Amino acid sequence: EAGVAQSPRYKIIEKRQSVAFWCNPISGHATLYWYQQILGQGPKLLIQFQNNGVVDDSQLPKDRFSAERLKGVDSTLKIQPAKLEDSAVYLCASSLDLGQGVAEAFFGQGTRLTVV
Amino acid sequence: LAKTTQPISMDSYEGQEVNITCSHNNIATNDYITWYQQFPSQGPRFIIQGYKTKVTNEVASLFIPADRKSSTLSLPRVSLSDTAVYYCLVVRNNDMRFGAGTRLTVKP
Repeated sequence: EAGVAQSPRYKIIEKRQSVAFWCNPISGHATLYWYQQILGQGPKLLIQFQNNGVVDDSQLPKDRFSAERLKGVDSTLKIQPAKLEDSAVYLCASSLDLGQGVAEAFFGQGTRLTVV
Repeated sequence: LAKTTQPISMDSYEGQEVNITCSHNNIATNDYITWYQQFPSQGPRFIIQGYKTKVTNEVASLFIPADRKSSTLSLPRVSLSDTAVYYCLVVRNNDMRFGAGTRLTVKP
């Protein structure tokens, strides 16, 4: 079974530029997450989708970050304009929708963003 | 969601059993306890999940007392490759939020 695919793996941009990350979840997984992981910290949830609807985006800095999941499959996360403090690894994860209970989440390898 | 508290770091030696305890005093009825492992430059990986009592799989055991206000991840006979960060999460309806985790270092 193919895992969660993310691209690019690495990205270096200058501050005030824009950047986009792409995620292809495991087939059939209704739930998709985007996390930001700053070096030395745990992953911070940015947004959670259920199919193509947003479940939680309370920690997404909406003045500069946006995310979409068209057709309930692939997702993109965009930062515009980037700041130095956005340097981090951006992780995408997906899981089944069990209706009740909690499903195991599968993570991609992440995109390492460096803002200079 | 209930906040979790776990040790920042732990050291162990190869072959020993490691127990990492997590406290989650405000856990709710519908919450599950889930543990993830993360190696450098990789995304977290699911280890084990439970609701109450004891759960065991091929890599770990999870002990949850009756009041569910804490849980203990047990790793039997660790090896150098178990050096990683271990996260305890309280999860409700697939809402997953990570804390700082416990950095486990296994020494030869």
